[in-house]
Amino acid sequence: DAKTTQPPSMDCAEGRAANLPCNHSTISGNEYVYWYRQIHSQGPQYIIHGLKNNETNEMASLIITEDRKSSTLILPHATLRDTAVYYCIVRGTGANSKLTFGKGITLSVRP
Amino acid sequence: EAQVTQNPRYLITVTGKKLTVTCSQNMNHEYMSWYRQDPGLGLRQIYYSMNVEVTDKGDVPEGYKVSRKEKRNFPLILESPSPNQTSLYFCASSSGQGGLHQPQHFGDGTRLSIL
Repeated sequence: DAKTTQPPSMDCAEGRAANLPCNHSTISGNEYVYWYRQIHSQGPQYIIHGLKNNETNEMASLIITEDRKSSTLILPHATLRDTAVYYCIVRGTGANSKLTFGKGITLSVRP
Repeated sequence: EAQVTQNPRYLITVTGKKLTVTCSQNMNHEYMSWYRQDPGLGLRQIYYSMNVEVTDKGDVPEGYKVSRKEKRNFPLILESPSPNQTSLYFCASSSGQGGLHQPQHFGDGTRLSIL
């Protein structure tokens, strides 16, 4: 599975959009981009995933560049409860659904 | 409510005393997995199971055993725990047999301290 690079931290104001970047320049054609988050030491929570088209669900939007070498997770109206570590993960179609978590990006939402 | 339940949530024990961490899911998922999380190392997979009676090693299986006799349960067994197994453990499950792009659902974690 391709590696991902995320900045270590960022912050945003409550109510504003949070745009979390991720680079995955070695991604291959059959690899998906996944986003999970972990609030404090709770279990990781799935947010969204995509292959090459932009995706949106009730939690967030995922924008993947045309060359698929980077993506952005957008939380449209961040709240204090969105403060967490966000992991961008690239995963292929192998039989084992192993998720390889890197260091992630720590998002701090300020009042 | 769909969930992955781990027990115990916290455990302090001593070296060499066998212990089992249970994991149960109520979503009829085929795939289950165990991870450990350590500071600076992220989450690493210990073992996984594609279905009943099918298990395989992940990245850090040494010192651990698992079994999958029923679809809903995937216990993690430490036969002779050692201090380097002190960690935060997570169980996860997903539908499909691992090849499908299904989100994984994680339990709330088990914090083990081995003295």
